[in-house]
Amino acid sequence: DAGVIQSPRHEVTEMGQEVTLRCKPISGHDYLFWYRQTMMRGLELLIYFNNNVPIDDSGMPEDRFSAKMPNASFSTLKIQPSEPRDSAVYFCASSLGPYGTYGYTFGSGTRLTVV
Amino acid sequence: QKEVEQNSGPLSVPEGAIASLNCTYSDRGSQSFFWYRQYSGKSPELIMSIYSNGDKEDGRFTAQLNKASQYVSLLIRDSQPSDSATYLCAGRNTGRRALTFGSGTRLQVQP
Repeated sequence: DAGVIQSPRHEVTEMGQEVTLRCKPISGHDYLFWYRQTMMRGLELLIYFNNNVPIDDSGMPEDRFSAKMPNASFSTLKIQPSEPRDSAVYFCASSLGPYGTYGYTFGSGTRLTVV
Repeated sequence: QKEVEQNSGPLSVPEGAIASLNCTYSDRGSQSFFWYRQYSGKSPELIMSIYSNGDKEDGRFTAQLNKASQYVSLLIRDSQPSDSATYLCAGRNTGRRALTFGSGTRLQVQP
């Protein structure tokens, strides 16, 4: 398996623009997580899905953030409009079960810079 | 108080020494813990998991869990420069049913 695949690897955008981050989980994993990592706040859970259904979005910072999982092999995280404080590395991870018998497998991340 | 706390470091040890990384947690319902290693600019990768009180060994790595004191530790024996990375401790968040990560401890192994 190719692992968790995220795109793009890097994104630079201007404040106010819409940003869409993409993730393909490992086939057969039933949980998908979106985390955000910054120096100040570390790795924060934004939202996660179980069998394509959003379970907990309490970590989504505000209404500008939205996430979807239309099928078992694809998820998106959208920020509209983007702000400089959204600059961070966004990781997608997938697992079998909510905690992962073998932990979570992370994608390579998307480094977002909003200028 | 953060749910999982770690000293940010850096922790500097000489090559060949034992590196000791510590983590405390507040959720008494947490049943299991995970240690991830993250190289600069890379994604976290799982090193070890531990579910029961006591020690669990895997090669040069030993994870320790003390549920009464609510702390987890990771020992790295015979540290190598290639072990230089940030080590993240993660615990089950029983409320959110997902892993909560500490902010990580940066380890530097000096050749």
